[in-house]
Amino acid sequence: DAGITQSPRHKVTETGTPVTLRCHQTENHRYMYWYRQDPGHGLRLIHYSYGVKDTDKGEVSDGYSVSRSKTEDFLLTLESATSSQTSVYFCATGTGGGSPLHFGNGTRLTVT
Amino acid sequence: EDQVTQSPEALRLQEGESSSLNCSYTVSGLRGLFWYRQDPGKGPEFLFTLYSAGEEKEKERLKATLTKKESFLHITAPKPEDSATYLCAVPGGNQFYFGTGTSLTVIP
Repeated sequence: DAGITQSPRHKVTETGTPVTLRCHQTENHRYMYWYRQDPGHGLRLIHYSYGVKDTDKGEVSDGYSVSRSKTEDFLLTLESATSSQTSVYFCATGTGGGSPLHFGNGTRLTVT
Repeated sequence: EDQVTQSPEALRLQEGESSSLNCSYTVSGLRGLFWYRQDPGKGPEFLFTLYSAGEEKEKERLKATLTKKESFLHITAPKPEDSATYLCAVPGGNQFYFGTGTSLTVIP
């Protein structure tokens, strides 16, 4: 496995508060991704990174920002959490070139 | 638009009852089709990659096949421990597109 650690594993927060989720990998993979998983929608891409300080938006990026200052760490920030952002968030890493993604075990975020 | 569709959404099988899960895709220039298994409370776990039509991959009771428009995950004589959600995905551009999955329940 790619050695992907997500923190926290669970978080409950109030509407309007900022939240940061962390993804840490030990495999030196170039690509890192943040997905959210919701019933009926499957996995949807929020943001991804193709190198240190190189990031791009996915299909559901509104309300989220990311940063990658080191190869091993990819942060997802909700600047002002809303109830619609209640979800399970997964980080994934990969080497590109048609190789598979490897996933962390997710962060369950509840916004009340 | 690149798209991945899985069917059925849910499948209940008796232990030992073989069946197949379907993943159809529309993507230009296929660079692989990926199957994952996801257990409750866990992240998806990689199972197989298929790169070209006619290719097959096997792992224990699972066999994945690929045509030009779809992939099948065949489950032979399943056991209760095969119960999980099975996802398929295809790369497109710099990202991966996932289907919504098939939730498989194998009843003892």
